Amino acid sequence: GAVVSQHPSWVICKSGTSVKIECRSLDFQATTMFWYRQFPKQSLMLMATSNEGSKATYEQGVEKDKFLINHASLTLSTLTVTSAHPEDSSFYICSTSGGIAGFSYEQYFGPGTRLTVT
Amino acid sequence: SQQGEEDPQALSIQEGENATMNCSYKTSINNLQWYRQNSGRGLVHLILIRSNEREKHSGRLRVTLDTSKKSSSLLITASRAADTASYFCATYGSGNTGKLIFGQGTTLQVKP
Repeated sequence: GAVVSQHPSWVICKSGTSVKIECRSLDFQATTMFWYRQFPKQSLMLMATSNEGSKATYEQGVEKDKFLINHASLTLSTLTVTSAHPEDSSFYICSTSGGIAGFSYEQYFGPGTRLTVT
Repeated sequence: SQQGEEDPQALSIQEGENATMNCSYKTSINNLQWYRQNSGRGLVHLILIRSNEREKHSGRLRVTLDTSKKSSSLLITASRAADTASYFCATYGSGNTGKLIFGQGTTLQVKP
């Protein structure tokens, strides 16, 4: 299966600043990646689908101007939280489906990024 | 949006006991998956069961699927302290979008 990494693993920023989170597919060329947000003791909520070479598709209620997604290469998708506020503090996780063997129904997740906005 | 409910929300058992988690979903599915998440980490795929299957085993895991009731269960036998984690069921949303929709999860604590 695919190996997915995220950077940074945790970040603390001040309110009003922007934070970029990277998601890398280390052994697989991912045309599609998914970004999730997870609040404490809650499930994962899909934020957006990141498509290589085209605009991301956002879920209802997710502000595309606040959560900027760039999928400029087949191995890297970035999520930028712009003008972050304390309510944006959360655990952000990316995933991709498929791997060296091709498409699979299971998704492979990055280890997540803990964002704390003070 | 969440696909459905999972119960219990939290489960605490002793090592060696069995743990059963249930999941319900709302739409028709091609398959249902179970994932595990250790605290503060990403998710790991455990098992996938197809809509034409009723039961599937993988090591100490047993998954059942009842499409008439739109429900699934995950049984972990002979639990270990290392099984302590959150467990989520997940299905694909409607349309061929590749979007995985998760249940609310069950937090399992296995006491040594």
